[in-house]
Amino acid sequence: ILNVEQSPQSLHVQEGDSTNFTCSFPSSNFYALHWYRWETAKSPEALFVMTLNGDEKKKGRISATLNTKEGYSYLYIKGSQPEDSATYLCAFPPTGANNLFFGTGTRLTVIP
Amino acid sequence: ETGVTQSPTHLIKTRGQQVTLRCSSQSGHNTVSWYQQALGQGPQFIFQYYREEENGRGNFPPRFSGLQFPNYSSELNVNALELDDSALYLCASSLGSGGYADTQYFGPGTRLTVL
Repeated sequence: ILNVEQSPQSLHVQEGDSTNFTCSFPSSNFYALHWYRWETAKSPEALFVMTLNGDEKKKGRISATLNTKEGYSYLYIKGSQPEDSATYLCAFPPTGANNLFFGTGTRLTVIP
Repeated sequence: ETGVTQSPTHLIKTRGQQVTLRCSSQSGHNTVSWYQQALGQGPQFIFQYYREEENGRGNFPPRFSGLQFPNYSSELNVNALELDDSALYLCASSLGSGGYADTQYFGPGTRLTVL
């Protein structure tokens, strides 16, 4: 049974705080791990595609790490800003194709 | 801005009716995927098209069907609507042929309500 777990489901942080959340996925037959940011009433926005164990990717204040052997990825946000408020989704392709299997997301609210 | 657009934004239908949702992919993107997001869940893969041919299908019944056109537009058709079909429907396009590392660019979705 395919399962992607994201934790926490939601969190509130103060502006300026750093935060991180977790995506757990099946470690067998790993192909890639995708991270998306989804602001309310907008389109999901691709953040990272990670394929190699130990990968670390960065985009501005957001970074992500990948551990394919134990089946988890961390997303970090440094110095959270109100505009970071969004739902962060991770997804993996269970086969070698591009049909993504999504988690339910972590909803981040940054309080000014 | 991803350049992927969807229409309509919202739609209300009744049980048993048929619906067509439309998506316009980014120019040059030969692959389009459709997802259903029910309340409280992550998006769920419906199917994918590459160069106008179905290229993969999720666990959805045959009453969910699609088309992809040469002008980078596509359609999702749902026949015999059921209450459980109420959801946000997302399309996503990608530049490659549907590889596992291809970035997918999403549209804003169509909210379908079935009464």
